[in-house]
Amino acid sequence: GENVEQHPSTLSVQEGDSAVIKCTYSDSASNYFPWYKQELGKGPQLIIDIRSNVGEKKDQRIAVTLNKTAKHFSLHITETQPEDSAVYFCAASKNNNNDMRFGAGTRLTVKP
Amino acid sequence: GAGVSQSPSNKVTEKGKDVELRCDPISGHTALYWYRQRLGQGLEFLIYFQGNSAPDKSGLPSDRFSAERTGESVSTLTIQRTQQEDSAVYLCASSLELSGNTDTQYFGPGTRLTVL
Repeated sequence: GENVEQHPSTLSVQEGDSAVIKCTYSDSASNYFPWYKQELGKGPQLIIDIRSNVGEKKDQRIAVTLNKTAKHFSLHITETQPEDSAVYFCAASKNNNNDMRFGAGTRLTVKP
Repeated sequence: GAGVSQSPSNKVTEKGKDVELRCDPISGHTALYWYRQRLGQGLEFLIYFQGNSAPDKSGLPSDRFSAERTGESVSTLTIQRTQQEDSAVYLCASSLELSGNTDTQYFGPGTRLTVL
């Protein structure tokens, strides 16, 4: 089955700097890659996703890039703000949601 | 509209007791999932319901775990004879899944289970 690895496990940046979180996946048939943000005491919330037919997607300060050949995808957050502090999870799946597998998470801390 | 809701938000139980966790998915969502999240770790898939199809139970860690879903609405996750290693946050998610493609999963706030 699919195996998703996520790095780093913790990331601390100064407010205004950029943050990058990287994930690799094992199943070349995976074609859907969402990113979730989980704040303390809450469930994960989708922040951006990308499908394998595109290489990059951007939404304001958040962007995701996908390299299908290398089987890795990354989350980029620019101009970070303290409210970006949370745990971020990547995931990968094929055409069925029951095969979606999550990375172990990255705890991002943005220092004011 | 209303999101995914779960109850209780917190549950403390004694080792050996049975517990039942509830999930109310977003109305109209055909697919429902249960995950387990141990402290500081990622999401571990437990079970998946899609419409009237047989559920995918491949992630259930033992026969002490079971889940049911009534039609396309409420689901309950039952853990029998709880053990301390069952302590975790149990997350429920739902998705629309009408197109045949992977759809966004919307998560509930979770139930934090503590087994003493």
